[in-house]
Amino acid sequence: EAGVVQSPRYKIIEKKQPVAFWCNPISGHNTLYWYLQNLGQGPELLIRYENEEAVDDSQLPKDRFSAERLKGVDSTLKIQPAELGDSAVYLCASKVNSGANVLTFGAGSRLTVL
Amino acid sequence: GNSVTQMEGPVTLSEEAFLTINCTYTATGYPSLFWYVQYPGEGLQLLLKATKADDKGSNKGFEATYRKETTSFHLEKGSVQVSDSAVYFCALISNTGFQKLVFGTGTRLLVSP
Repeated sequence: EAGVVQSPRYKIIEKKQPVAFWCNPISGHNTLYWYLQNLGQGPELLIRYENEEAVDDSQLPKDRFSAERLKGVDSTLKIQPAELGDSAVYLCASKVNSGANVLTFGAGSRLTVL
Repeated sequence: GNSVTQMEGPVTLSEEAFLTINCTYTATGYPSLFWYVQYPGEGLQLLLKATKADDKGSNKGFEATYRKETTSFHLEKGSVQVSDSAVYFCALISNTGFQKLVFGTGTRLLVSP
């Protein structure tokens, strides 16, 4: 079984530029999460999807961040414009709706804003 | 809201030493508890879990017991190896309402030969 796939693994941009991250969850996993992990910190939830519906986006800074999961499978997280403080690792995770609440994480996308 | 508190690191041990990483939590209801591990340059991997009080999760020689009375889920290993060097995250997820996985700040473990 393929795991959660994220791309790009690394991205370096200048401030005020846009950036997008892509996530392909495990097949059959209806719930998808985007987490932000700052250096030396634990991951913090940005947004959670149940199929194509965003059911918890209270932590997403909506002035510059946006996310979509149009067909309930792949998801994209966008930042526009990026700021220096956005430098972090963006993690995607997925899980099935039923059964144990076990999230499987991707390797993450490390963003550096110069 | 729900929260997790972990002991600060780094924890520095010699190979074959005994490991304990403390974790306590605050949550409503009866959450599920997890330990995730992050090896250098890699993503988070589930290490072990426990879904109800008194459950013991175990994997790769690591163990943790869900203690409702002390709201704790301490991670232990009897004999650490150099390859165990990583960052360990304690986490919980509520089994009702918003199913958000909440993490502690992580504890870095450094094992020397």
